[in-house]
Amino acid sequence: SQKIEQNSEALNIQEGKTATLTCNYTNYSPAYLQWYRQDPGRGPVFLLLIRENEKEKRKERLKVTFDTTLKQSLFHITASQPADSATYLCALSEWGNKLVFGAGTILRVKS
Amino acid sequence: GAVVSQHPSRVICKSGTSVKIECRSLDFQATTMFWYRQFPKKSLMLMATSNEGSKATYEQGVEKDKFLINHASLTLSTLTVTSAHPEDSSFYICSARRQAGQPQHFGDGTRLSIL
Repeated sequence: SQKIEQNSEALNIQEGKTATLTCNYTNYSPAYLQWYRQDPGRGPVFLLLIRENEKEKRKERLKVTFDTTLKQSLFHITASQPADSATYLCALSEWGNKLVFGAGTILRVKS
Repeated sequence: GAVVSQHPSRVICKSGTSVKIECRSLDFQATTMFWYRQFPKKSLMLMATSNEGSKATYEQGVEKDKFLINHASLTLSTLTVTSAHPEDSSFYICSARRQAGQPQHFGDGTRLSIL
């Protein structure tokens, strides 16, 4: 069966450290993968998109990697801040159409 | 920018009422809009995909007569929950996309509570 798995347990880190979130998938051949941030009671906010032929993408303090052999994406936030605390969603698309979302990982950054 | 406005943000109504939710892309034209439902601490579940000027494509298990979707223009899609019942209570979120292969941009959701 097809699955997208993100750490179900919350990730607690200290301010200033790098947060690393994992997204693993099974029985998908994604054309691209996206990461979103969601705050309680709000809609998801787009962060980064990485295509199947890209290994790494960066945007300011954010970095995403995509390993189609391992079927895994890693999402990094460097120099984390309390304001980065949120739920982070991984989503993939096999091409052109719908996104399939993981359940998300809660990140808590403590000062 | 890519701003999507969803209205209303919260609805509380009696069982049997029909509720309409609007989703607008404010600063771009969206060839495709999507409607999702999200349960507490769960992932977003796609309900339907809507292309401007054509009928929506519903996901398996979603009743198209229950959840009416209209996508009359490149900036507006509506979801009408007909004859709503308590089990329809949920967080409904729309998204809009310029074209395939590009990110989806989400509204802030509508919290629907049916008494």
